[in-house]
Amino acid sequence: DQQVKQNSPSLSVQEGRISILNCDYTNSMFDYFLWYKKYPAEGPTFLISISSIKDKNEDGRFTVFLNKSAKHLSLHIVPSQPGDSAVYFCAAYRNNAGNMLTFGGGTRLMVKP
Amino acid sequence: ETGVTQTPRHLVMGMTNKKSLKCEQHLGHNAMYWYKQSAKKPLELMFVYSLEERVENNSVPSRFSPECPNSSHLFLHLHTLQPEDSALYLCASSQEGGGARETQYFGPGTRLLVL
Repeated sequence: DQQVKQNSPSLSVQEGRISILNCDYTNSMFDYFLWYKKYPAEGPTFLISISSIKDKNEDGRFTVFLNKSAKHLSLHIVPSQPGDSAVYFCAAYRNNAGNMLTFGGGTRLMVKP
Repeated sequence: ETGVTQTPRHLVMGMTNKKSLKCEQHLGHNAMYWYKQSAKKPLELMFVYSLEERVENNSVPSRFSPECPNSSHLFLHLHTLQPEDSALYLCASSQEGGGARETQYFGPGTRLLVL
C-alpha cells in the first residue's frame, strides 16, 4: 500500500497561470516532505521542502503548502513557465526511520505556451 | 565532469547474464543510494551506503548485489534477473548520509530491459 500518493498522473496548464500539484499521505509519522522535479533522460532534482512543523514554505515561484490534518500537501507554481514542464515527485521522510525517502508516483506537468 | 553520472544509460540483458551498473559522484558526498523506478510505480529505495558501509537494505532480492569500493563509486551487480526487474535504476548521493532530509542529487539513471 502506497504511503505517499499523487492521484493526478498528469496536469496541463497555460503559461502564466498557476500550477497546483497535489500529494496525499497516509502515515502521520512523516515529519518532512520534499518535492523533486524530473526532466526526461535526467535524474530527479530537489525543488523545495517543508517541515511538518510548518504549513507553508516559499521559494521564488514555488510554494509548498502542508495540511497535516488532511495529510495533504501541494506545490504551487506561479506563474507557470514552459520550462516547468516535467514530472514532479513528492516524497516524505520520517525521523528515526533510517535514510528512507518514500516517493509518490509522480505527476507530469505540461505548461503550454 | 560534475554531479552524478551513471553508466551505461541503457542496458538490455538476458536472464542468465551478469552485468553491472556503475555510478560515480563528483560532489564529495559521503552517502550514495540505489533506487528503482518501475513503470507506473513510485521510486523505491534499494540500498544506502554511508562512508562506504551499507546502512540500509530495503528487502532487495539477492540477485541485486551492491558494491561501494569508495565514497565516490557505487556499483549494482546484476545476476539472473527476471523480466519484472526491467526498470529505471537511479543512483543518488548526499552530503553526509545522515538521513533522507538531506538533499539527494540524482544521476540520469540506467534503463534496464531484461529479456
